[in-house]
Amino acid sequence: EADIYQTPRYLVIGTGKKITLECSQTMGHDKMYWYQQDPGMELHLIHYSYGVNSTEKGDLSSESTVSRIRTEHFPLTLESARPSHTSQYLCASRQDGTEAFFGQGTRLTVV
Amino acid sequence: DQQVKQNSPSLSVQEGRISILNCDYTNSMFDYFLWYKKYPAEGPTFLISISSIKDKNEDGRFTVFLNKSAKHLSLHIVPSQPGDSAVYFCAASKDDYKLSFGAGTTVTVRA
Repeated sequence: EADIYQTPRYLVIGTGKKITLECSQTMGHDKMYWYQQDPGMELHLIHYSYGVNSTEKGDLSSESTVSRIRTEHFPLTLESARPSHTSQYLCASRQDGTEAFFGQGTRLTVV
Repeated sequence: DQQVKQNSPSLSVQEGRISILNCDYTNSMFDYFLWYKKYPAEGPTFLISISSIKDKNEDGRFTVFLNKSAKHLSLHIVPSQPGDSAVYFCAASKDDYKLSFGAGTTVTVRA
């Protein structure tokens, strides 16, 4: 069973608010990822990290930012939420040569 | 530029019959392929994977086939069960880095 956790599971927030989506894993994986997914669409990679103090932007442009100060923690922050940010955000971690494990996701709604 | 494509958005199959899901990719450098299953409002869960050095991998009711020359892989589920109703995503990676996902195929298993 995967030990990767995301909080909150659901979030409804007003336009202009700052939010942080939490992601933690206890497997000691170096590689961590944030994906964004809308119904009927592929998972779009928005950020990834290959270890502490390593962060890169993914294939899909995003106004969010991430940090990786500790191996187990990879939070995603939106400084000013907008309705266009409404989506499901999925965090994953991976060790070399294995599958990626996903958290349960955060369903974000910006009103 | 979508490098992993699942051209069938949906599949309906009768319980007990075989489900065949297809996936095509464009990047010949991909060396690791995976299938994930996803329920609404949850994160994807890993099903089965295959390395590019193999052409078949089997795990219980799930078998993945890889045709490198055609840049095509498929997932066979036999027999299909009602609990298999979900969205199935194909994913691929190169040199153990980020995973690229297809848009998913929604499988409905009819009783």
